[in-house]
Amino acid sequence: AQKITQTQPGMFVQEKEAVTLDCTYDTSDPSYGLFWYKQPSSGEMIFLIYQGSYDQQNATEGRYSLNFQKARKSANLVISASQLGDSAMYFCAMTPTGNQFYFGTGTSLTVIP
Amino acid sequence: GAVVSQHPSRVICKSGTSVKIECRSLDFQATTMFWYRQFPKQSLMLMATSNEGSKATYEQGVEKDKFLINHASLTLSTLTVTSAHPEDSSFYICSAQLQETQYFGPGTRLLVL
Repeated sequence: AQKITQTQPGMFVQEKEAVTLDCTYDTSDPSYGLFWYKQPSSGEMIFLIYQGSYDQQNATEGRYSLNFQKARKSANLVISASQLGDSAMYFCAMTPTGNQFYFGTGTSLTVIP
Repeated sequence: GAVVSQHPSRVICKSGTSVKIECRSLDFQATTMFWYRQFPKQSLMLMATSNEGSKATYEQGVEKDKFLINHASLTLSTLTVTSAHPEDSSFYICSAQLQETQYFGPGTRLLVL
């Protein structure tokens, strides 16, 4: 069975500081994809970053980077230089097939001015 | 990035009526779309996978006769909540698959009186 775990229900970070949101996963599939989505209060799920299980390098997208540690089965999201607009729910997701996605329970991030 | 729209964004209806929600991929074709339900402060719950030109695949516990899904074209999937009841009130969000990533619509808030 596939499982995604986000252990931080809520996080606070000072504006302009970096923050790491944790995500661990459990799968027996040899290949899979890992994703992070941002959900602001409006409800829309915004795609942030993708990491393939066979990718050698950690994915980066602007201020977002994914700290992928395959042996530990972790895919933490690092947001650098936090902005007030980063306050939102963040969901980690995994897909072993490219079709069905499995989501974590989410982490609520609050950026403090 | 890929754009997915949903309509309506909000709907209020009386108990016993049916409500149709549309999900459109605006700038790409999607053979596979997904319908999720999200309760407040919870993660997304996959309801069904919608495949263009074939019957939808429903997750366990989701009533296919209550939540009718039609994927008539490569850019449109619809979810119809039939004979809606107050317990169907929720946030419904769709996504469309493009390569390895799911792109989400802005969601529809349904309130059944």
